[in-house]
Amino acid sequence: GAGVSQSPSNKVTEKGKDVELRCDPISGHTALYWYRQSLGQGLEFLIYFQGNSAPDKSGLPSDRFSAERTGGSVSTLTIQRTQQEDSAVYLCASSFQQGDGETQYFGPGTRLLVL
Amino acid sequence: KNEVEQSPQNLTAQEGEFITINCSYSVGISALHWLQQHPGGGIVSLFMLSSGKKKHGRLIATINIQEKHSSLHITASHPRDSAVYICAAPMIKAAGNKLTFGGGTRVLVKP
Repeated sequence: GAGVSQSPSNKVTEKGKDVELRCDPISGHTALYWYRQSLGQGLEFLIYFQGNSAPDKSGLPSDRFSAERTGGSVSTLTIQRTQQEDSAVYLCASSFQQGDGETQYFGPGTRLLVL
Repeated sequence: KNEVEQSPQNLTAQEGEFITINCSYSVGISALHWLQQHPGGGIVSLFMLSSGKKKHGRLIATINIQEKHSSLHITASHPRDSAVYICAAPMIKAAGNKLTFGGGTRVLVKP
């Protein structure tokens, strides 16, 4: 596809269940980012992948959150034992290469609601 | 204090008016992004700039690295410009280019 895609677009789950969110970056983009936008709050960084390097997980809010990126392309963000405070829009972005100030292209987001 | 701050938080304008949104940051950055988020939630990158000024259609972005300040201007505003505008910056001290975001400015342009 031409842009970053994410699935599902919406997810409703019960507290305590695990969820997986998927991101397909733009083909050829080596950097991939996950961000979160909670209701009424700004965007915050979660995790960053660059090529084959170890991911930067410094933004993950707890050990219930994990992410992987297979084959340097598709990424999956997993939230285990979801809590109501995990409800947010989860956004994925990708960029061509690591360098000062490269443009990040955002996906449409996955809107997660934990009941 | 947030490392990236925007003002105003909300802005209402009449169609045709000139709009200015300000962004200031407190740490060193390599570049600054201006993003647009429409009510549906999708985010579009408008500008990425590290110096001077960039123009795209009716949108103009400027940055003053010494003063740690950037502005986004909308000329001849139109109702379709109604959105949340967000400035964001990758911090030099941070590995990679993960972005730190301002709180956003909600713009409403009335016809």
